[in-house]
Amino acid sequence: DQQVKQNSPSLSVQEGRISILNCDYTNSMFDYFLWYKKYPAEGPTFLISISSIKDKNEDGRFTVFLNKSAKHLSLHIVPSQPGDSAVYFCAASYNFNKFYFGSGTKLNVKP
Amino acid sequence: DGGITQSPKYLFRKEGQNVTLSCEQNLNHDAMYWYRQDPGQGLRLIYYSQIVNDFQKGDIAEGYSVSREKKESFPLTVTSAQKNPTAFYLCASSIVQNSNEQFFGPGTRLTVL
Repeated sequence: DQQVKQNSPSLSVQEGRISILNCDYTNSMFDYFLWYKKYPAEGPTFLISISSIKDKNEDGRFTVFLNKSAKHLSLHIVPSQPGDSAVYFCAASYNFNKFYFGSGTKLNVKP
Repeated sequence: DGGITQSPKYLFRKEGQNVTLSCEQNLNHDAMYWYRQDPGQGLRLIYYSQIVNDFQKGDIAEGYSVSREKKESFPLTVTSAQKNPTAFYLCASSIVQNSNEQFFGPGTRLTVL
């Protein structure tokens, strides 16, 4: 029973355009959400996070939006760069306990 | 440089053999975690440890064992009881369990022949 879902296994975007990666969750107890970026044969690296008391968090080109009523979060990358090409995982936790990860979305930014 | 190391990067074993994956961190983190990644699936938690000499089962602990004798080390043993051990294994650590960020190692790809 997957509590965090990323329904798009892949996404292709032109350089300079916006990339939107989506994530849905089922557990209303989740109060912290994170996005990780992963290159092949490497471990994931932390990208950005958001607490459930917020609906938006921005860090440079990366913005995460949280819609608690829809149990949905999204990661926006603007403008997208070829170096952003990687697999992006969303993760969720409650009370900073175990983290639950989605299956990942592979982003390809075309030059 | 501080970080998490996992060795080896690639590991091959015969079916029925136990194998131990290494995870070492010099970040002085209290908590350490083991995840498994399979194609098309997210990271699934195998075991985690909040403090030395203590650890808890994650969601898929069957067929695995761990130890936490030192703060910086959290080895994972994949036993012969694990029905489908071929996977990519990731180790992570965080300052304390109640941390908003986990730092990951580079992973070990285990293939059981």
